[in-house]
Amino acid sequence: ETGVTQTPRHLVMGMTNKKSLKCEQHLGHNAMYWYKQSAKKPLELMFVYSLEERVENNSVPSRFSPECPNSSHLFLHLHTLQPEDSALYLCASSQDWPWDRGGYTEAFFGQGTRLTVV
Amino acid sequence: GQNIDQPTEMTATEGAIVQINCTYQTSGFNGLFWYQQHAGEAPTFLSYNVLDGLEEKGRFSSFLSRSKGYSYLLLKELQMKDSASYLCAVLDSNYQLIWGAGTKLIIKP
Repeated sequence: ETGVTQTPRHLVMGMTNKKSLKCEQHLGHNAMYWYKQSAKKPLELMFVYSLEERVENNSVPSRFSPECPNSSHLFLHLHTLQPEDSALYLCASSQDWPWDRGGYTEAFFGQGTRLTVV
Repeated sequence: GQNIDQPTEMTATEGAIVQINCTYQTSGFNGLFWYQQHAGEAPTFLSYNVLDGLEEKGRFSSFLSRSKGYSYLLLKELQMKDSASYLCAVLDSNYQLIWGAGTKLIIKP
C-alpha cells in the first residue's frame, strides 16, 4: 500500500465538464497539499490543509475547489476549466504544517493526475 | 522576487559522476531539499540541507553553501535507473517551499 494515492491517474475533460480528483494518504499525516506541475515549470502550490482546515490558498482561480472531509482524504473539484489548466496535479502530505516547529518534515507525494482539458 | 535556478537538462554516462547545481535567491532560508521524480511518477525525497557542507547518502551527496546561495546534488556510479528529473526546493523565511523547475537527467549506456 503506497503512502499517498491519487485517482484517477489520467483525466480528459471538456471545458464545460465537472470532475473531481481524489487523494488519500495512509501515513497519519496532519497536512495535505495540492500542487500543479506544468512542463518545464516549477511546482506551484495551490492549497494547503492542516488538520482539515484550509490554511493556504495561493491565488488559485475559483474553478478549482478543494475539499478535505477528513485528515486522510483530499479532493480537488474542477469545473469550467481552460486548456491552460492542463497539467499534472500532485497531492502531497507531511506530518505537520507549518514547518517552523523545530525542524523540517518531508513531503510525500502521490503519483499525480495527468489532466488534459479539451 | 524569489528564484531557484537549475539546468533544464543534463546528459551523463552510465558509471560516471554527475553534479546538478542549484542556485537560489529567496527571502530567508530554512533549508534546501532535493527530490527525484521519474517520468510519470511521484517526486520522492532525496536530501535536506540546512547547514553548510556535504551530506552523503550512499551514491548521492548534497552540498550547501548558504553564503553563496548554492547547492549541488552529486550522483556517483550512475545507473540507468537514475534517469529522472531532480527538483531543488528552498524553504524560505515564511516556511514556504520555493521550487525550481527541475533538471532532467539523461543517462546513456
